[in-house]
Amino acid sequence: AQSVSQHNHHVILSEAASLELGCNYSYGGTVNLFWYVQYPGQHLQLLLKYFSGDPLVKGIKGFEAEFIKSKFSFNLRKPSVQWSDTAEYFCAVNAGTYKYIFGTGTRLKVLA
Amino acid sequence: DAGVTQSPTHLIKTRGQHVTLRCSPISGHKSVSWYQQVLGQGPQFIFQYYEKEERGRGNFPDRFSARQFPNYSSELNVNALLLGDSALYLCASSFSTSSSYNEQFFGPGTRLTVL
Repeated sequence: AQSVSQHNHHVILSEAASLELGCNYSYGGTVNLFWYVQYPGQHLQLLLKYFSGDPLVKGIKGFEAEFIKSKFSFNLRKPSVQWSDTAEYFCAVNAGTYKYIFGTGTRLKVLA
Repeated sequence: DAGVTQSPTHLIKTRGQHVTLRCSPISGHKSVSWYQQVLGQGPQFIFQYYEKEERGRGNFPDRFSARQFPNYSSELNVNALLLGDSALYLCASSFSTSSSYNEQFFGPGTRLTVL
């Protein structure tokens, strides 16, 4: 069965620190990969997505993610976080079927 | 353009009752998916509908049902509510179903509390 693991459940950073959130999935075939963000009181919003091509994907608000097929990973990165990045981040996998499989999420708190 | 809309925003029910949640997809989107998000967890897939037909079902009991209307809006029904059904119910719409470049857009959710 497909699954997604996000190993960092809670992350606290100071402004300007660099961010990397881990995401690993279990599925041997072709996958589509996503990172969603949920700001306090708001709905899930797409940060970035990978379907094919360049494994380094750039999204909104300065976020990027790298797909490493050999490691089944799709880690999210940002060189310098801001207080406004405080949110919950979800990694999701779609293996060309009808559903997305989400990880349990990572709560990021950025200290001003 | 309006995004995915859901109603109601919040709902409080008691055990054993029935609930109906509603979703309107983005204009032009023909597929609607439902997810349950329990506090502290990621969304869990419940159903997907496309062109009024069920295309997929997650690991949820038969108390959960859904349907899609000709205008592509959708309802999620839950019967015989249990305390464990308390969650945020998310609706997501997409243009189609399983194409490789499909992307789902999520609504704000309905917060269901079962007492």
